[in-house]
Amino acid sequence: AQSVTQPDIHITVSEGASLELRCNYSYGATPYLFWYVQSPGQGLQLLLKYFSGDTLVQGIKGFEAEFKRSQSSFNLRKPSVHWSDAAEYFCAVDPTGGSYIPTFGRGTSLIVHP
Amino acid sequence: NAGVTQTPKFRILKIGQSMTLQCTQDMNHNYMYWYRQDPGMGLKLIYYSVGAGITDKGEVPNGYNVSRSTTEDFPLRLELAAPSQTSVYFCASSRGTPYNEQFFGPGTRLTVL
Repeated sequence: AQSVTQPDIHITVSEGASLELRCNYSYGATPYLFWYVQSPGQGLQLLLKYFSGDTLVQGIKGFEAEFKRSQSSFNLRKPSVHWSDAAEYFCAVDPTGGSYIPTFGRGTSLIVHP
Repeated sequence: NAGVTQTPKFRILKIGQSMTLQCTQDMNHNYMYWYRQDPGMGLKLIYYSVGAGITDKGEVPNGYNVSRSTTEDFPLRLELAAPSQTSVYFCASSRGTPYNEQFFGPGTRLTVL
């Protein structure tokens, strides 16, 4: 069965610092990977997604993620964090082979200090 | 284009009461999902649907029911509310796995006392 692990429950960074949020997946075939952001009191919004091709994908709000097959990872990065980036971040993998249920990680809460 | 809308935004129920959480999408998506989110626990899938008239259980279906009579609507019914159903509920829709992202509604915060 596929699984998604986000090892960090909370991450604290200072405004202007760089950010990396970790995501590891367990999946036998080529994964379809997503990062979502959830601002306080809101639903989830797509940041970026990866299916194939270039392993570095760009998303909205200045985020990017790199797919590394050898490490089964899809880490999210941002070079300079803004206070408005404080939110919950979810990594997800979509199934293939006839299932209809995406698998979400537990989420990482990002705290931004001024 | 409103996307995915959910009503109500907030609700307080007494133990044993019933209610329906409404979800509507205007993107003509075939796939729809109901999740609950508890603090620090991520999203847990309650029910999903891959088209009108087709529904299936997710990870935590007990105490809930759904129907899908139209493409647009996917209501979630809580029967005999219990304190364990206190949570934030999200509805989502998508064009279908594995290529397409999910679009989420703003959520319904439910408290059962």
